[in-house]
Amino acid sequence: DAGVIQSPRHEVTEMGQEVTLRCKPISGHDYLFWYRQTMMRGLELLIYFNNNVPIDDSGMPEDRFSAKMPNASFSTLKIQPSEPRDSAVYFCASNGQGTGELFFGEGSRLTVL
Amino acid sequence: GDSVTQMEGPVTLSEEAFLTINCTYTATGYPSLFWYVQYPGEGLQLLLKATKADDKGSNKGFEATYRKETTSFHLEKGSVQVSDSAVYFCALGGSNYKLTFGKGTLLTVNP
Repeated sequence: DAGVIQSPRHEVTEMGQEVTLRCKPISGHDYLFWYRQTMMRGLELLIYFNNNVPIDDSGMPEDRFSAKMPNASFSTLKIQPSEPRDSAVYFCASNGQGTGELFFGEGSRLTVL
Repeated sequence: GDSVTQMEGPVTLSEEAFLTINCTYTATGYPSLFWYVQYPGEGLQLLLKATKADDKGSNKGFEATYRKETTSFHLEKGSVQVSDSAVYFCALGGSNYKLTFGKGTLLTVNP
């Protein structure tokens, strides 16, 4: 079975540009999570969805960040406009009901110059 | 709110040494506890878990026991290998499947 698939794996962009990160969760999983990892702050939960509905977006740093899940097999995290302090590795993870275990993608490493 | 505190790294050991990474937590209710491992350039993957007090999770020679009285879930391995070099995260999970992670501990094992 395919795991959680994220794209792109690496993104280098300039300050002010729009960035879109994509995630395909494991089929049948009804929870999807977006995390951000940096050396300074560790792993931070940005937002999570249940059955495509956003449940908790309190971790989204500011209005420049937005996330959508238009269907059960696809989610996006968008940053507009991007800033150098957004440089991080962004992870998507999914969870099937009752398992309590998160399955992580390989991450999208974002560098904003 | 829920929180996880794990020992600061980095931890550097020689091959076959004993490993302990401390983890304590604060939570309401009865959370599940997890250890995740992140190898270089990869996402996190579940190493082991325990869902109730006194449960012992184990996998690949690693063990951790859910201690409610000390609110701890320390990770141990009797003999580490070079291939165990990675970042280890302690985490707790509530009823909504949301996990709260510790800051991670970098382990380097030298031959």
